[in-house]
Amino acid sequence: AQSVAQPEDQVNVAEGNPLTVKCTYSVSGNPYLFWYVQYPNRGLQFLLKYITGDNLVKGSYGFEAEFNKSQTSFHLKKPSALVSDSALYFCEGAAGNKLTFGGGTRVLVKP
Amino acid sequence: EAQVTQNPRYLITVTGKKLTVTCSQNMNHEYMSWYRQDPGLGLRQIYYSMNVEVTDKGDVPEGYKVSRKEKRNFPLILESPSPNQTSLYFCASSSAGADTQYFGPGTRLTVL
Repeated sequence: AQSVAQPEDQVNVAEGNPLTVKCTYSVSGNPYLFWYVQYPNRGLQFLLKYITGDNLVKGSYGFEAEFNKSQTSFHLKKPSALVSDSALYFCEGAAGNKLTFGGGTRVLVKP
Repeated sequence: EAQVTQNPRYLITVTGKKLTVTCSQNMNHEYMSWYRQDPGLGLRQIYYSMNVEVTDKGDVPEGYKVSRKEKRNFPLILESPSPNQTSLYFCASSSAGADTQYFGPGTRLTVL
């Protein structure tokens, strides 16, 4: 069975510090991996995706993620967090038409 | 503007009263899906559709029905809602299953 795990319910970071949100996956075949962000009272918005090619993927708002096949991870990173990055972040894995989301990680960036 | 719309945005109903949440997209996407979002459980897929008249169960389909008679519309039907279906529901569409999904704004449903 396919699964995506986000081991941290919440991540707290000071503004200007690096931000990392962890994601591990168990997806059959070659996984397609995505990160989405959800601001309060809004739907999810696409940040970035990995399909194939370069393991380091760059996305919106200065975010990037690294695909690590040996560790089955796809951690989201940002070198310098902003208060406006405070939101709920979801990792998604896709194999064909089967899509699976992680449980979400709430990020709180403190001024 | 490319978008996914859902209606209603908020709904309070009682146990057993049939309801429909509509979803529409204007991007000519083939793939559409419904999710429910519950605290600590993330998003769980209820049903998805690969194209008109082609639907399949996701992870939590019990108590829900869907139809895909037109490419742009994918309504979610609760024939006999129960309190455990109180949740935040999202519709999404994409050009294919394993592609970037575009989400609607969500429907917050409360079943008393």
